[in-house]
Amino acid sequence: DAGVTQSPTHLIKTRGQQVTLRCSPKSGHDTVSWYQQALGQGPQFIFQYYEEEERQRGNFPDRFSGHQFPNYSSELNVNALLLGDSALYLCASSYGNGYTFGSGTRLTVV
Amino acid sequence: AQKITQTQPGMFVQEKEAVTLDCTYDTSDPSYGLFWYKQPSSGEMIFLIYQGSYDQQNATEGRYSLNFQKARKSANLVISASQLGDSAMYFCAMTTDQTGANNLFFGTGTRLTVIP
Repeated sequence: DAGVTQSPTHLIKTRGQQVTLRCSPKSGHDTVSWYQQALGQGPQFIFQYYEEEERQRGNFPDRFSGHQFPNYSSELNVNALLLGDSALYLCASSYGNGYTFGSGTRLTVV
Repeated sequence: AQKITQTQPGMFVQEKEAVTLDCTYDTSDPSYGLFWYKQPSSGEMIFLIYQGSYDQQNATEGRYSLNFQKARKSANLVISASQLGDSAMYFCAMTTDQTGANNLFFGTGTRLTVIP
């Protein structure tokens, strides 16, 4: 039973560019949440998707947007990248209580 | 607002010994959940243990136990019989009814190193 799969594992982008990160949830999970983890920090909640709708959002600007597809997979899009967007982006899926996290996408903005 | 404080940036423990990782929290919400996660160098967050604010007994999961002291607002993780594979970052996290059951609020973590 595959867990949460994220792609790509690593990514380097230039300031001002746009990036799309992808997440396939664990089998049977219908909810996907995204977290940003800056170096030396704990993860910070970006938003959560359920039934293809953004259900909850953390304190992140509108440059961060997402999407959930009918198969429950999800994308995180970040526009107009800043150097400060460099981080590990974690996806977590759930069904009811209890998260399963992926290994993340490490984004470096240069 | 909620806050999680982990005051130990790094901890060392001898293999087979027990270690306590500290976590204090703050919230005005009477209903909350406390979590501990392990993050190895590979990056994924691995769930270890959960304690609900109304749980009467301290949570235990195998070698992991949570020392929950509600009046002091602390939720320390105790790892017994440490193993080399326990070396990782450990994060304390919280959810509250106010912020939503699926919005985890994390501390800054403690890096645990197990010495052979």
